[in-house]
Amino acid sequence: DVKVTQSSRYLVKRTGEKVFLECVQDMDHENMFWYRQDPGLGLRLIYFSYDVKMKEKGDIPEGYSVSREKKERFSLILESASTNQTSMYLCASTGLWGEQYFGPGTRLTVT
Amino acid sequence: GESVGLHLPTLSVQEGDNSIINCAYSNSASDYFIWYKQESGKGPQFIIDIRSNMDKRQGQRVTVLLNKTVKHLSLQIAATQPGDSAVYFCAENRNSGGSNYKLTFGKGTLLTVNP
Repeated sequence: DVKVTQSSRYLVKRTGEKVFLECVQDMDHENMFWYRQDPGLGLRLIYFSYDVKMKEKGDIPEGYSVSREKKERFSLILESASTNQTSMYLCASTGLWGEQYFGPGTRLTVT
Repeated sequence: GESVGLHLPTLSVQEGDNSIINCAYSNSASDYFIWYKQESGKGPQFIIDIRSNMDKRQGQRVTVLLNKTVKHLSLQIAATQPGDSAVYFCAENRNSGGSNYKLTFGKGTLLTVNP
């Protein structure tokens, strides 16, 4: 089975802190994605990566950056956390046919 | 614009009944569709997929139907069980070049199964 893991299930940070969310997949997938999920808004794409050291902006990249130094790991960085970044963050990687496999999610609260 | 949406935001069924969750899409170039299940507090779980060269695909207790003429997708769950209670998303997957894919998600339908 495909396994996508995220470093934390729950995270509480203060406004202005730098936040790192880590995602690891064990299937040698090339494509990895970061989404945030908010009630009424569904899943929104923040950033994605098609290969190591490659990144592309999604629909809502403002306030975020990413890092892909190794194929299995895709990190989402909040340079200076703000309260409007309180959300559920979901990482995914793409299988052979384009199906995405998701991690369990990180519920981030910024106070 | 292009979108993937759901006809009903909530669906309540009795245990043992069949459930049908619907989805509309507007991009006729989409060639691949996926249904996900998301239980409370968890990440979306892949259920079943279908390619545009098919109109029906069956899994264990689930069937996906694709009607390209009206750009409609449905998920049928047979003999619905309490464990099926979750939010169900459809997703549209367009090949954005080579093997690279991005998904467009519907907002989701909340399925509640009453015992």
